[in-house]
Amino acid sequence: GENVEQHPSTLSVQEGDSAVIKCTYSDSASNYFPWYKQELGKRPQLIIDIRSNVGEKKDQRIAVTLNKTAKHFSLHITETQPEDSAVYFCAATYTGGFKTIFGAGTRLFVKA
Amino acid sequence: NAGVTQTPKFQVLKTGQSMTLQCAQDMNHNSMYWYRQDPGMGLRLIYYSASEGTTDKGEVPNGYNVSRLNKREFSLRLESAAPSQTSVYFCASMDYEQYFGPGTRLTVT
Repeated sequence: GENVEQHPSTLSVQEGDSAVIKCTYSDSASNYFPWYKQELGKRPQLIIDIRSNVGEKKDQRIAVTLNKTAKHFSLHITETQPEDSAVYFCAATYTGGFKTIFGAGTRLFVKA
Repeated sequence: NAGVTQTPKFQVLKTGQSMTLQCAQDMNHNSMYWYRQDPGMGLRLIYYSASEGTTDKGEVPNGYNVSRLNKREFSLRLESAAPSQTSVYFCASMDYEQYFGPGTRLTVT
């Protein structure tokens, strides 16, 4: 069945460093790839997304890249800050269908 | 515009009791979802409803039932709660992006 693998499960960086989280998906029909941030005790919220016709998208300190051939997509956070500490989930959706498949999550710690 | 709302926020049940978790969205989305999230884990899909009048099983449907009451509302029922159902339950609705409710923290003793 459909699957999204996410690595690493835990990531610890120093404030100001960059953080990279990688995901691989199995369903070649997937064409929408959102990233969600979940702070402790809160709901997941969308931080950035990318569609299959785009290779890269950037929004201030965060960027997402997509390699459809390899079925890989990645989240890049530059100049990390302590408030970036959270769990990040990647996901893959086939927009002609109805299911979003989530990765298992990456717990990011940013040390001040 | 409240987005996705869920009730209750917290619930404690004894094994064997039943309850219904309520979810409503005011964004006119066709698709709605129920997930569970266990401590330190990702989101697992319980059931989803692609449109009013349809429901389908997700990854972990056993022990749950759902009702898509109308376009706005999608409820999740536990007929006979078990300790393994202790979790945080999120409802969501979707156009492209999934919009999550605030969650229900359920403990079954």
